[in-house]
Amino acid sequence: AQSVTQLGSHVSVSEGALVLLRCNYSSSVPPYLFWYVQYPNQGLQLLLKYTTGATLVKGINGFEAEFKKSETSFHLTKPSAHMSDAAEYFCAVNPAGKLIFGQGTTLQVKP
Amino acid sequence: SQTIHQWPATLVQPVGSPLSLECTVEGTSNPNLYWYRQAAGRGLQLLFYSVGIGQISSEVPQNLSASRPQDRQFILSSKKLLLSDSGFYLCAWSGGNTIYFGEGSWLTVV
Repeated sequence: AQSVTQLGSHVSVSEGALVLLRCNYSSSVPPYLFWYVQYPNQGLQLLLKYTTGATLVKGINGFEAEFKKSETSFHLTKPSAHMSDAAEYFCAVNPAGKLIFGQGTTLQVKP
Repeated sequence: SQTIHQWPATLVQPVGSPLSLECTVEGTSNPNLYWYRQAAGRGLQLLFYSVGIGQISSEVPQNLSASRPQDRQFILSSKKLLLSDSGFYLCAWSGGNTIYFGEGSWLTVV
């Protein structure tokens, strides 16, 4: 069965520091992988996705993620954190048209 | 462009009362539709998905039901709410391999 594991339920970084949110998946078939962001009391917004092709994908707000098949990972990064990046981030895999989510990582950005 | 509307945004209901959350999608036809629930401090759980009118698949046994009376309308219902039904409910749609979410509905059962 497919599953997603996000390492670290809470990540804290200083403003301007590198953001790294970790995601590992298990899938019996080549996966479609996604990162979503959720701001307080709002729905989920798509940050970026990997379906096929280039393994380094760029998304909105300066985020990017790299699909590494050998490591079954899809970690999310941003070179320089901004206060507005504080939110909850979800990694997800899409087998057969249904999203399976990780438990989420809350990103705190300190001034 | 496609948009998804979900209402009501917030709802406070007593235990044992009925529930109806509605979701409509505009700008696309024959979308896949989904209901997710996000309980406090927990991840997202897929409750129902639908690939067409009248076609509903339930992912987990529960006190809720879903219906799709029209191509772009998806309704989440309950006849009698339980305290454990409290949470944040998200409707979503997809027309391919990407799923897009509505703004969510907060349900508090008291």
